[in-house]
Amino acid sequence: LAKTTQPISMDSYEGQEVNITCSHNNIATNDYITWYQQFPSQGPRFIIQGYKTKVTNEVASLFIPADRKSSTLSLPRVSLSDTAVYYCLVGDIRDDKIIFGKGTRLHILP
Amino acid sequence: DAMVIQNPRYQVTQFGKPVTLSCSQTLNHNVMYWYQQKSSQAPKLLFHYYDKDFNNEADTPDNFQSRRPNTSFCFLDIRSPGLGDAAMYLCATSRDRGAVGELFFGEGSRLTVL
Repeated sequence: LAKTTQPISMDSYEGQEVNITCSHNNIATNDYITWYQQFPSQGPRFIIQGYKTKVTNEVASLFIPADRKSSTLSLPRVSLSDTAVYYCLVGDIRDDKIIFGKGTRLHILP
Repeated sequence: DAMVIQNPRYQVTQFGKPVTLSCSQTLNHNVMYWYQQKSSQAPKLLFHYYDKDFNNEADTPDNFQSRRPNTSFCFLDIRSPGLGDAAMYLCATSRDRGAVGELFFGEGSRLTVL
């Protein structure tokens, strides 16, 4: 499994766009990039997954450059309820062990 | 409707008194995982089942055991809980093994050890 590195914490304000970058220099050819969100006292929740370029859903966008050594989760117009820990995971279909890194603690301020 | 249900949500036990946490799923997924999450830390994988095939992480203490009697249910047994086992225990499922695809988590069971 490729190791991931994310900022430990970030602050932003309501209504802003937030970008959280994850570094995964050792990503392998068949690896996908997946992001989860976790609120206090709840289990993580899947946000988005991608392999290359850009993926968008109703919650977020995921930008992956051509070399795939990093990825950026973009949350448009955040609200206070987006305060959570965001985890970036990298792995492929053969990886039985789905390992969470330290995550990024995002604080949204009014 | 909740798809992965964990019981109990909160469990208080005494040092050394066995505890069983349960997880049920309505998704008919092949894979079920147990994670341990301590305060301000990331979830740590304890073990997982692919169907009936049990896969233990190398650093999971022997004190932790698991059972999966059928597709829908999985149990985490802590034989002799210590103070260091106080944590949130998370159950998750996925349709197939591998890191591609979505993990579905339950709300977790918070264990307190007195």
